[in-house]
Amino acid sequence: GQNIDQPTEMTATEGAIVQINCTYQTSGFNGLFWYQQHAGEAPTFLSYNVLDGLEEKGRFSSFLSRSKGYSYLLLKELQMKDSASYLCAVRDRDYKLSFGAGTTVTVRA
Amino acid sequence: IAGITQAPTSQILAAGRRMTLRCTQDMRHNAMYWYRQDLGLGLRLIHYSNTAGTTGKGEVPDGYSVSRANTDDFPLTLASAVPSQTSVYFCASSDLAGGGDTQYFGPGTRLTVL
Repeated sequence: GQNIDQPTEMTATEGAIVQINCTYQTSGFNGLFWYQQHAGEAPTFLSYNVLDGLEEKGRFSSFLSRSKGYSYLLLKELQMKDSASYLCAVRDRDYKLSFGAGTTVTVRA
Repeated sequence: IAGITQAPTSQILAAGRRMTLRCTQDMRHNAMYWYRQDLGLGLRLIHYSNTAGTTGKGEVPDGYSVSRANTDDFPLTLASAVPSQTSVYFCASSDLAGGGDTQYFGPGTRLTVL
C-alpha cells in the first residue's frame, strides 16, 4: 500500500513562491503525479515524475527523490487563480493511483 | 468536445435505495476508475477497469459494484445506499494501452444519502 503525507494548508502572497512537500512510503513505486483541484471542480493534471530530478513547466516545477520518498511542487510568481488544493499521488506497478489528502493553498493579495 | 461526462451532477438519495452513477468517455481510453472524495481523506479508489470486460477492486470497494461492457461506459452502482456513502464521486480514465500516464477526471457527482 501507499502512505502519502502532505501539509493540510499553506498561505502565500501574490507574486511569491510556495513549495508543497509530499512524502510517501510505497510497496511498489511507479511514478508520482501532482494534480490541481479548484473548489467544486475536478482534479486536473499538473506534473509527473518517474525519475529523480526536477521537471519544469512554466511557473510550476516538480521534484522527485525516490531514495528519500520525497517530492515537492514549486509554484512561482503566485497568482490569485492559483488558490486551490494540490494533490500528490503515487502510482503503483498496477498503474493505480493513491492520493494524499491534498494541500489547500490560499493566495493573498 | 472530447472528455469524460458524469451523471447526475448531484443527487439526494434515501438510505436503502439503489443508485447508479454514470460515466462516459469519448477518448477511447482503455482504463477507467471510480474514486470518492471526502474532506480530509482525499481521493480513494473504489473500483477500476484496465480494459473492457475486466474490473478490479480498489481501496474502498465495499457497497459498490461496477461493470465495463464497452470501452466508453463505466457505471458505478450502490445496491443499497447508506449515509456513509455520502461523498463526491469522480470518474477518471487513462490511455494505458497507448502508454499514457495521466488520468483525466470527470466533473464529479455529489451524492447525499439520508
